Amino acid sequence: AQSVTQLDSHVSVSEGTPVLLRCNYSSSYSPSLFWYVQHPNKGLQLLLKYTSAATLVKGINGFEAEFKKSETSFHLTKPSAHMSDAAEYFCVVSDVAGGTSYGKLTFGQGTILTVHP
Amino acid sequence: DTEVTQTPKHLVMGMTNKKSLKCEQHMGHRAMYWYKQKAKKPPELMFVYSYEKLSINESVPSRFSPECPNSSLLNLHLHALQPEDSALYLCASSQVTGLTDTQYFGPGTRLTVL
Repeated sequence: AQSVTQLDSHVSVSEGTPVLLRCNYSSSYSPSLFWYVQHPNKGLQLLLKYTSAATLVKGINGFEAEFKKSETSFHLTKPSAHMSDAAEYFCVVSDVAGGTSYGKLTFGQGTILTVHP
Repeated sequence: DTEVTQTPKHLVMGMTNKKSLKCEQHMGHRAMYWYKQKAKKPPELMFVYSYEKLSINESVPSRFSPECPNSSLLNLHLHALQPEDSALYLCASSQVTGLTDTQYFGPGTRLTVL
């Protein structure tokens, strides 16, 4: 069974400072990992994904994440926070069973990012 | 284009009403999903359709009835809901490539049951 742990339920930063949102996963095989962002009362937007190619993954809006197999981590970073980054972020593992044409997602509990002026 | 659309954006209904939520995608994806999301929680999977056939029902009460009329459309029919069914309902679609499945989500329908 797969699981995802987001290590911080809330992160608060000042505008212009770096962002670090931490995620650890548990998977019995090489996983597909994602970060999604959700602004208040909106749907989930895909930020980036790791699918066993490059371990450093670049996403939209200046975000990137590094897959570290030895640490079972997939932390999300951004060099300089913007007010518009304030939202909830979900780390997600995807499982595609052999022979099927769909996946099942395992979500972390989410990290709420607050950005102060 | 990675757009999934959902209508309506907001829905208020009484416990005796019948209503439907609609989801549409034109990315050629053959898997479509319904999720329910309560406040301050991650989404929970309700149903999965693959090639227009119901593949997963996560023990959802029968007052929720999904329908996939064609490869682009997904409906969720609602009848005799309870106040605890109030939530954000999200639709998603995906196309599996190898062992990778990337799901794209719609903006959601905010449902309030009175």
